[in-house]
Order: sequence, then C-alpha cells, then structure tokens
Amino acid sequence: EVQLVQSGAEVRKPGESLKISCKGSGYTFTNYWIVWVRQMPGEGLEWMGIIYPGDSDTRYSPSFQGLITVSADKTINTAYLQWSSLKASDTAMYYCARFGGPRLISSAAYNWFDPWGQGTLVTVSS
Amino acid sequence: DIQMTQSPSSLSASVGDRVTITCRSSQRIGSFLNWYQQRPGKAPKLLIYAASSLQSGVPSRFSGSGSGTDFNLTISSLLPEDFATYYCQQSYITSWTFAQGTKVEIK
Repeated sequence: EVQLVQSGAEVRKPGESLKISCKGSGYTFTNYWIVWVRQMPGEGLEWMGIIYPGDSDTRYSPSFQGLITVSADKTINTAYLQWSSLKASDTAMYYCARFGGPRLISSAAYNWFDPWGQGTLVTVSS
Repeated sequence: DIQMTQSPSSLSASVGDRVTITCRSSQRIGSFLNWYQQRPGKAPKLLIYAASSLQSGVPSRFSGSGSGTDFNLTISSLLPEDFATYYCQQSYITSWTFAQGTKVEIK
C-alpha cells in the first residue's frame, strides 16, 4: 500500500524555525514527485512546493518562494518542509501528497495529488 | 494563475439525494481537472482525475463530467459518509490551483 506518514503537530513562537517531514512507503520513493499543500484554518488548499527525491529538483509556488524550503533525503524516503522564521500567519495544516504525473512536469498534462499524508498541524503563537 | 470557482459553496441534502457540484475555470483547461473529497478532520482524497476518470477504489456513485471551462461532480445517491467538502483542481498549468470548496451537509 502506498502511504505517506507525516510528523506530528508542532507549536512554535513567531521567529522560530521548523522542519516537518513526510515519509513515503509502499513504492519507489525516488520515482515520484512529492508536493506540499497548505490549508489555513477553515480555508481551501494551496500548493506550496514540489520536489523530485530522485535528484532533489525543486519548484516553488510564487506565493511561497523565499518563504519556505522543500528538501528530501532519499536514503530514508523522507521529504521535508521547513521555515527559518515562522509567522503567526503560518498557522495551518500542512499536507504532503504524491504527485501522480511524469518526471517531466509540463502544462496541459494529466496529473494529480494522490495519496495524501495525514497532515501536520503547525501552530505559531506567542 | 487560473482561478477556479465552485458553486454552491455549501448545500444541504438528504441521504439518497442526487447532488451536483459545479466547478468553473477562468480560462479553458480542456479536461485537466481533478476532484477531491475532504471529510472533517481528514486529508483530501482523490475521487476523479482528468475530469471524468474514477480513481481506483472510489464508488461508482461518484462521476465527473465537463471540459473547457465548466465541470460537474455528481453523487448519484448520497450516503452518510459522503458528507464532506469537495474541491476541484486544475492541472492545465503547473501552478496548480484549487477552488474554494463545496461543503455538503446533512439536511
């Protein structure tokens, strides 16, 4: 069974750093992109960044470029999402998902996010 | 970015009802459209990809249709476990965007 298991809930103060994880199993981790998605309280879904663990090729949504870092350690089948200086507005649920598409990401292509991790709740409060 | 809009934003329905949710894109996206279900407190789950293809393991009461700018997700006969929020998402450009969601509530 293909599965993504995320690290547990985190509470941090503004200005602190954080790194959350997403561990894949049941498939060849290096052959599929992993995408990160934010869901703010009571809101919808926004893609943040995507990484190909095979070679760490990484892309960012313009909305999140410079605010986050996406990385992966293929030796332990784990992808990461990190912040160097959190803000209260980073309070949200964060999901990782496997990208169902080819290595070459292109427009007008059939792709989707499946399956998803269970989510990591990040709370930033002073 | 391509803007995605769903209607209605919420609806109340009874078990056994037929429900249709509409998704509209701000530009033509062919059939590059996916649907997800998110039950309360759970992660989203892929239901439909490529506008009308049912993801493996998803019940056949779910169906998707449409192309261009207008799409529908239909649940032919609501079951209790279908009360959830549904999102459409475009994959036409690689800055993937979701609509705001439609919450299906129990009447």
